[in-house]
Amino acid sequence: NAGVTQTPKFRILKIGQSMTLQCAQDMNHNYMYWYRQDPGMGLKLIYYSVGAGITDKGEVPNGYNVSRSTTEDFPLRLELAAPSQTSVYFCASSLGGIYNEQFFGPGTRLTVL
Amino acid sequence: ELKVEQNPLFLSMQEGKNYTIYCNYSTTSDRLYWYRQDPGKSLESLFVLLSNGAVKQEGRLMASLDTKARLSTLHITAAVHDLSATYFCAVSTSGTYKYIFGTGTRLKVLA
Repeated sequence: NAGVTQTPKFRILKIGQSMTLQCAQDMNHNYMYWYRQDPGMGLKLIYYSVGAGITDKGEVPNGYNVSRSTTEDFPLRLELAAPSQTSVYFCASSLGGIYNEQFFGPGTRLTVL
Repeated sequence: ELKVEQNPLFLSMQEGKNYTIYCNYSTTSDRLYWYRQDPGKSLESLFVLLSNGAVKQEGRLMASLDTKARLSTLHITAAVHDLSATYFCAVSTSGTYKYIFGTGTRLKVLA
């Protein structure tokens, strides 16, 4: 199993550009999450999904969009990138149930200039 | 609104010493997690705590949960350099799958 994979690993965007961060998991997990981590800080939940076709906002959803058309994939779309979106983005997935342990991807480091 | 606070934010300690990291949260929660993050890396799950009085141990790390006080502790016994990392606690809002993370404790163990 590859676990949770994310692409790209690094990306530099110009202000106003758009991009999609890809996230995929091969563990048949129902739940998937997108977080951002600013330097020296904890993780902030952007969006999460409890299954294909179902998404909900987290703490910091503004400037982002998500979709979940399959169980495996959970892409994060940035429209009109701003310097405030410079961060490391982590995708995670979990099976649900009593423990609902999250498994994290390696992260995407995004810089907006 | 669920808030999670960790202290201390930074911790520098000598090898062989013991210390405790604290995680306070503001509202009822049904799960508490501890993670480790090495510089430039992703997060690694350490413990999941569900019930009041729960205690879990792995090597030199022991985590406990007091749901009445809304407090979890991560105790480090006889620290070694390899434990140097940032440790996060995270709490899920009761009845949901939304997770709120603490700001992290950056631990440095000096040889």
